[in-house]
Amino acid sequence: NAGVMQNPRHLVRRRGQEARLRCSPMKGHSHVYWYRQLPEEGLKFMVYLQKENIIDESGMPKERFSAEFPKEGPSILRIQQVVRGDSAAYFCASSPLTPLGTTLNEQFFGPGTRLTVL
Amino acid sequence: GIQVEQSPPDLILQEGANSTLRCNFSDSVNNLQWFHQNPWGQLINLFYIPSGTKQNGRLSATTVATERYSLLYISSSQTTDSGVYFCAVGVYSGAGSYQLTFGKGTKLSVIP
Repeated sequence: NAGVMQNPRHLVRRRGQEARLRCSPMKGHSHVYWYRQLPEEGLKFMVYLQKENIIDESGMPKERFSAEFPKEGPSILRIQQVVRGDSAAYFCASSPLTPLGTTLNEQFFGPGTRLTVL
Repeated sequence: GIQVEQSPPDLILQEGANSTLRCNFSDSVNNLQWFHQNPWGQLINLFYIPSGTKQNGRLSATTVATERYSLLYISSSQTTDSGVYFCAVGVYSGAGSYQLTFGKGTKLSVIP
Protein backbone atom coordinates (compact mmCIF):
# COMPACT_ATOMS: atom_id res chain seq x y z
CA ASN A 1 0.00 0.00 0.00
CA ALA A 2 1.76 3.12 -1.23
CA GLY A 3 1.99 6.03 1.15
CA VAL A 4 0.96 9.62 0.56
CA MET A 5 2.57 10.89 -2.59
CA GLN A 6 3.52 14.46 -3.33
CA ASN A 7 5.04 16.01 -6.41
CA PRO A 8 7.16 17.68 -7.26
CA ARG A 9 9.55 17.12 -4.39
CA HIS A 10 11.36 20.36 -5.15
CA LEU A 11 9.97 23.38 -6.99
CA VAL A 12 11.75 26.58 -7.88
CA ARG A 13 9.77 29.61 -8.99
CA ARG A 14 10.56 33.24 -9.65
CA ARG A 15 8.56 35.96 -7.94
CA GLY A 16 5.21 36.45 -9.62
CA GLN A 17 4.95 32.93 -11.06
CA GLU A 18 2.41 30.30 -10.08
CA ALA A 19 3.19 27.18 -8.05
CA ARG A 20 1.08 24.01 -8.22
CA LEU A 21 1.66 21.31 -5.63
CA ARG A 22 0.05 17.90 -5.97
CA CYS A 23 -0.91 15.32 -3.38
CA SER A 24 -2.27 11.81 -3.84
CA PRO A 25 -3.62 10.39 -0.56
CA MET A 26 -3.10 6.84 0.60
CA LYS A 27 -5.41 4.31 -0.98
CA GLY A 28 -8.73 4.28 0.82
CA HIS A 29 -8.21 7.68 2.43
CA SER A 30 -10.83 10.30 1.70
CA HIS A 31 -9.52 13.21 3.78
CA VAL A 32 -6.62 15.45 2.79
CA TYR A 33 -4.87 18.11 4.84
CA TRP A 34 -2.20 20.62 3.82
CA TYR A 35 0.40 21.98 6.24
CA ARG A 36 3.21 24.47 5.75
CA GLN A 37 6.58 24.48 7.46
CA LEU A 38 8.39 27.76 7.28
CA PRO A 39 12.15 27.80 8.00
CA GLU A 40 12.90 27.39 11.71
CA GLU A 41 9.20 26.99 12.52
CA GLY A 42 6.89 24.11 13.24
CA LEU A 43 4.18 22.91 10.93
CA LYS A 44 1.03 24.99 10.56
CA PHE A 45 -2.35 23.78 9.33
CA MET A 46 -3.57 25.34 6.11
CA VAL A 47 -6.63 23.53 4.79
CA TYR A 48 -8.71 20.36 5.20
CA LEU A 49 -10.51 18.86 2.22
CA GLN A 50 -12.71 15.94 1.32
CA LYS A 51 -13.55 14.96 -2.23
CA GLU A 52 -15.01 18.04 -3.97
CA ASN A 53 -15.39 19.88 -0.64
CA ILE A 54 -13.31 22.33 1.35
CA ILE A 55 -14.11 21.58 4.97
CA ASP A 56 -11.83 24.09 6.75
CA GLU A 57 -9.53 26.64 5.15
CA SER A 58 -8.97 28.73 8.25
CA GLY A 59 -5.19 28.37 7.98
CA MET A 60 -4.93 29.50 4.38
CA PRO A 61 -3.71 33.02 3.57
CA LYS A 62 -6.67 35.02 2.28
CA GLU A 63 -5.07 35.91 -1.02
CA ARG A 64 -3.15 34.00 -3.68
CA PHE A 65 -3.65 30.55 -2.10
CA SER A 66 -6.29 28.03 -3.10
CA ALA A 67 -6.81 24.29 -2.74
CA GLU A 68 -8.98 21.66 -4.34
CA PHE A 69 -9.58 17.92 -4.14
CA PRO A 70 -11.53 16.93 -7.24
CA LYS A 71 -13.62 13.82 -7.66
CA GLU A 72 -10.87 12.34 -9.81
CA GLY A 73 -7.19 13.00 -9.44
CA PRO A 74 -4.92 14.41 -6.79
CA SER A 75 -5.44 17.31 -4.42
CA ILE A 76 -3.87 20.54 -5.66
CA LEU A 77 -2.49 23.43 -3.62
CA ARG A 78 -2.12 26.45 -5.86
CA ILE A 79 -0.14 29.57 -5.04
CA GLN A 80 -0.49 32.46 -7.45
CA GLN A 81 2.03 35.27 -7.86
CA VAL A 82 4.51 33.71 -5.46
CA VAL A 83 6.65 35.90 -3.20
CA ARG A 84 9.86 35.06 -1.35
CA GLY A 85 7.92 34.60 1.89
CA ASP A 86 6.14 31.62 0.32
CA SER A 87 9.41 29.65 0.34
CA ALA A 88 8.72 26.71 2.65
CA ALA A 89 8.09 22.99 2.81
CA TYR A 90 4.49 22.09 2.07
CA PHE A 91 3.25 18.80 3.46
CA CYS A 92 0.13 16.90 2.59
CA ALA A 93 -1.45 14.39 4.96
CA SER A 94 -4.34 11.99 4.57
CA SER A 95 -6.56 10.00 6.88
CA PRO A 96 -9.32 7.43 6.40
CA LEU A 97 -12.98 7.87 7.18
CA THR A 98 -14.02 5.94 10.26
CA PRO A 99 -17.16 3.81 10.28
CA LEU A 100 -18.82 6.47 12.44
CA GLY A 101 -18.14 9.17 9.86
CA THR A 102 -15.72 11.13 12.00
CA THR A 103 -12.14 11.95 11.15
CA LEU A 104 -10.49 11.27 14.49
CA ASN A 105 -7.88 9.16 12.85
CA GLU A 106 -4.16 9.07 12.48
CA GLN A 107 -2.85 11.37 9.76
CA PHE A 108 -0.12 10.10 7.48
CA PHE A 109 2.20 12.57 5.84
CA GLY A 110 3.77 12.72 2.44
CA PRO A 111 7.43 13.58 1.84
CA GLY A 112 6.65 17.24 1.23
CA THR A 113 7.29 19.71 -1.57
CA ARG A 114 10.06 22.21 -0.95
CA LEU A 115 9.20 25.46 -2.69
CA THR A 116 11.94 27.99 -3.29
CA VAL A 117 11.02 31.41 -4.62
CA LEU A 118 13.88 33.32 -6.22
CA GLY B 1 -6.49 28.12 19.99
CA ILE B 2 -4.81 25.22 21.68
CA GLN B 3 -1.15 25.63 22.70
CA VAL B 4 1.40 22.84 22.41
CA GLU B 5 4.74 23.12 24.19
CA GLN B 6 7.60 20.71 23.81
CA SER B 7 10.67 20.35 25.96
CA PRO B 8 13.57 20.39 25.81
CA PRO B 9 13.98 22.37 22.58
CA ASP B 10 17.42 20.85 21.98
CA LEU B 11 19.00 17.66 23.22
CA ILE B 12 22.42 16.16 22.62
CA LEU B 13 22.95 12.52 23.55
CA GLN B 14 25.81 10.10 23.48
CA GLU B 15 24.97 7.01 21.50
CA GLY B 16 23.43 4.41 23.80
CA ALA B 17 21.89 6.90 26.21
CA ASN B 18 18.19 7.14 27.07
CA SER B 19 16.01 10.24 26.87
CA THR B 20 12.52 11.55 27.61
CA LEU B 21 10.80 14.18 25.52
CA ARG B 22 7.78 16.00 26.88
CA CYS B 23 4.71 17.52 25.25
CA ASN B 24 2.26 19.70 27.19
CA PHE B 25 -1.02 20.93 25.74
CA SER B 26 -3.37 23.57 27.00
CA ASP B 27 -6.80 21.98 26.47
CA SER B 28 -8.61 18.68 25.96
CA VAL B 29 -7.72 16.91 22.74
CA ASN B 30 -9.20 14.11 20.66
CA ASN B 31 -5.95 12.85 19.20
CA LEU B 32 -2.20 13.03 19.77
CA GLN B 33 0.56 11.98 17.43
CA TRP B 34 4.36 11.88 17.68
CA PHE B 35 6.48 12.33 14.56
CA HIS B 36 10.16 12.15 13.73
CA GLN B 37 11.39 14.53 11.04
CA ASN B 38 14.60 13.04 9.74
CA PRO B 39 17.52 15.08 8.38
CA TRP B 40 16.03 14.74 4.88
CA GLY B 41 12.87 16.48 6.03
CA GLN B 42 10.51 13.52 5.92
CA LEU B 43 7.88 13.16 8.65
CA ILE B 44 7.74 9.67 10.04
CA ASN B 45 4.74 8.58 12.13
CA LEU B 46 5.89 7.24 15.47
CA PHE B 47 2.76 6.97 17.59
CA TYR B 48 -0.94 7.69 17.46
CA ILE B 49 -1.67 7.88 21.18
CA PRO B 50 -4.68 9.89 22.43
CA SER B 51 -4.25 8.15 25.80
CA GLY B 52 -2.39 5.29 27.45
CA THR B 53 0.98 3.76 26.69
CA LYS B 54 2.39 2.21 23.53
CA GLN B 55 5.74 0.71 22.67
CA ASN B 56 7.50 0.16 19.37
CA GLY B 57 10.99 -1.25 19.65
CA ARG B 58 13.26 1.20 21.45
CA LEU B 59 10.56 3.86 21.48
CA SER B 60 7.60 4.15 23.77
CA ALA B 61 5.05 6.84 24.48
CA THR B 62 2.63 7.67 27.25
CA THR B 63 -0.22 10.17 27.13
CA VAL B 64 -2.06 11.27 30.27
CA ALA B 65 -4.95 13.12 28.71
CA THR B 66 -6.48 14.22 32.03
CA GLU B 67 -3.24 15.99 32.92
CA ARG B 68 -2.64 17.25 29.38
CA TYR B 69 0.77 15.86 28.65
CA SER B 70 2.52 13.17 26.68
CA LEU B 71 6.00 11.68 26.97
CA LEU B 72 8.17 10.05 24.33
CA TYR B 73 10.90 7.72 25.57
CA ILE B 74 13.91 6.81 23.47
CA SER B 75 16.13 4.06 24.84
CA SER B 76 19.59 3.03 23.69
CA SER B 77 19.72 5.94 21.26
CA GLN B 78 21.39 5.54 17.88
CA THR B 79 22.77 8.13 15.48
CA THR B 80 19.85 7.40 13.16
CA ASP B 81 17.53 8.76 15.87
CA SER B 82 18.84 12.26 15.17
CA GLY B 83 16.36 14.77 13.84
CA VAL B 84 13.42 16.74 15.16
CA TYR B 85 10.63 15.14 17.16
CA PHE B 86 7.21 16.76 16.89
CA CYS B 87 4.17 16.32 19.03
CA ALA B 88 0.86 17.20 17.38
CA VAL B 89 -2.60 17.32 18.94
CA GLY B 90 -5.85 16.96 17.05
CA VAL B 91 -9.10 18.63 17.98
CA TYR B 92 -12.44 17.96 16.35
CA SER B 93 -14.53 21.11 16.39
CA GLY B 94 -17.86 19.42 15.89
CA ALA B 95 -18.55 21.74 12.99
CA GLY B 96 -16.89 19.28 10.68
CA SER B 97 -13.42 20.70 11.10
CA TYR B 98 -10.39 18.79 12.29
CA GLN B 99 -6.73 19.72 12.29
CA LEU B 100 -3.44 18.92 13.98
CA THR B 101 -1.65 21.62 15.97
CA PHE B 102 2.08 21.03 16.21
CA GLY B 103 4.59 21.92 18.87
CA LYS B 104 7.85 23.56 17.87
CA GLY B 105 9.71 20.26 18.25
CA THR B 106 12.70 18.86 20.09
CA LYS B 107 15.89 18.75 18.05
CA LEU B 108 17.81 15.62 18.97
CA SER B 109 21.44 15.04 18.06
CA VAL B 110 22.94 11.64 18.86
CA ILE B 111 26.72 11.59 18.69
CA PRO B 112 28.85 8.45 18.35
